Amino acid sequence: DSGVTQTPKHLITATGQRVTLRCSPRSGDLSVYWYQQSLDQGLQFLIQYYNGEERAKGNILERFSAQQFPDLHSELNLSSLELGDSALYFCASSVSGRPYEQYFGPGTRLTVT
Amino acid sequence: AQKVTQAQTEISVVEKEDVTLDCVYETRDTTYYLFWYKQPPSGELVFLIRRNSFDEQNEISGRYSWNFQKSTSSFNFTITASQVVDSAVYFCALSEAGGNAGNMLTFGGGTRLMVKP
Repeated sequence: DSGVTQTPKHLITATGQRVTLRCSPRSGDLSVYWYQQSLDQGLQFLIQYYNGEERAKGNILERFSAQQFPDLHSELNLSSLELGDSALYFCASSVSGRPYEQYFGPGTRLTVT
Repeated sequence: AQKVTQAQTEISVVEKEDVTLDCVYETRDTTYYLFWYKQPPSGELVFLIRRNSFDEQNEISGRYSWNFQKSTSSFNFTITASQVVDSAVYFCALSEAGGNAGNMLTFGGGTRLMVKP
């Protein structure tokens, strides 16, 4: 158990819908990262937050957004969902903004039908 | 831009064999960090090791060992006396030290290791 929690574990929704994925980092970790794992794209970095501020952006679609709240939990919002958004979404946290090891949550498996 | 290549998509071995997973990386930074993660069939990503670019010492942890060679931009992972429980997908990853890149991990495509009894 990494100490990072993600909810829900599974999500099935229809095209065009909007969903919110939630992540709680390990106690004391200030940095939260979101990654997408799909069969065709592999594991891809989406976005990083550090202590409430956006720190870096990767290949995140405009339909996707995220935020980190004062209690350091983070939410990833996915809207206007398409079939191709079906993937495993991971949240990770690390001690600070520096590249220490990132500990991953169990992931949220999103299926868009 | 940073890139990680794991040329072996799938490896199959018989229990107790040694196996090496290859990882080659590209980066323009002189300071960077390399990682290995394990993804068992249950799906979670488990951190195995982190090395920084200034530390080329090989590392051994039980049956696991890592060989970092800057001259060939490689960070290979060897499992000695493999066991069925080692069956998983293994990912090599790279993080550059900072700047505007944040601390994102760039992952290789992964190597699926199957250890047969």
